Amino acid sequence: DAKTTQPPSMDCAEGRAANLPCNHSTISGNEYVYWYRQIHSQGPQYIIHGLKNNETNEMASLIITEDRKSSTLILPHATLRDTAVYYCIAPDGMRFGAGTRLTVKP
Amino acid sequence: DSGVTQTPKHLITATGQRVTLRCSPRSGDLSVYWYQQSLDQGLQFLIQYYNGEERAKGNILERFSAQQFPDLHSELNLSSLELGDSALYFCASSGRVPNTGELFFGEGSRLTVL
Repeated sequence: DAKTTQPPSMDCAEGRAANLPCNHSTISGNEYVYWYRQIHSQGPQYIIHGLKNNETNEMASLIITEDRKSSTLILPHATLRDTAVYYCIAPDGMRFGAGTRLTVKP
Repeated sequence: DSGVTQTPKHLITATGQRVTLRCSPRSGDLSVYWYQQSLDQGLQFLIQYYNGEERAKGNILERFSAQQFPDLHSELNLSSLELGDSALYFCASSGRVPNTGELFFGEGSRLTVL
């Protein structure tokens, strides 16, 4: 079963930053946190992953707390195309929870 | 394009029947994962294979079985189908080291059981 907790839904205004939280309090020291998103019924798409340092790529930034019990995915300038279900996965990198349904509004 | 190919894309069958879903992983990936996603539900992990061997098992029913062949493609067999088996079935693959690296998903096979 998934070992992460995410809010079921969030809204964000277009052009603003979307901050999606995730609790993964049972993660151990060498286990990564992965983020994916699923748009409609398409196959999930990898976004980013991290261990303990903050990470950034062309899609998003990942902030992991120092105690590694939680993380935040940041979409810096959300667009309507970012409307999707976002999944935070830990610790085994393959069991998905219910995710957060992000709706970006004009 | 993730590089993961799933066939068929759509399948309609009747209760009690048996179907086989096929997945070809990305070139070089040794791990294959199967997921079930019922309508408006999350992704349920079914099973993982690594280089032909079963590696991890999730909520896979006894009526379902899977295997990974020497050429690394995988098949998910669903038998004695019930209405509740109607769902999207996704396959994903990942790289050479088990449980590391991102998953690359196919576009799914949509199964409808009537």
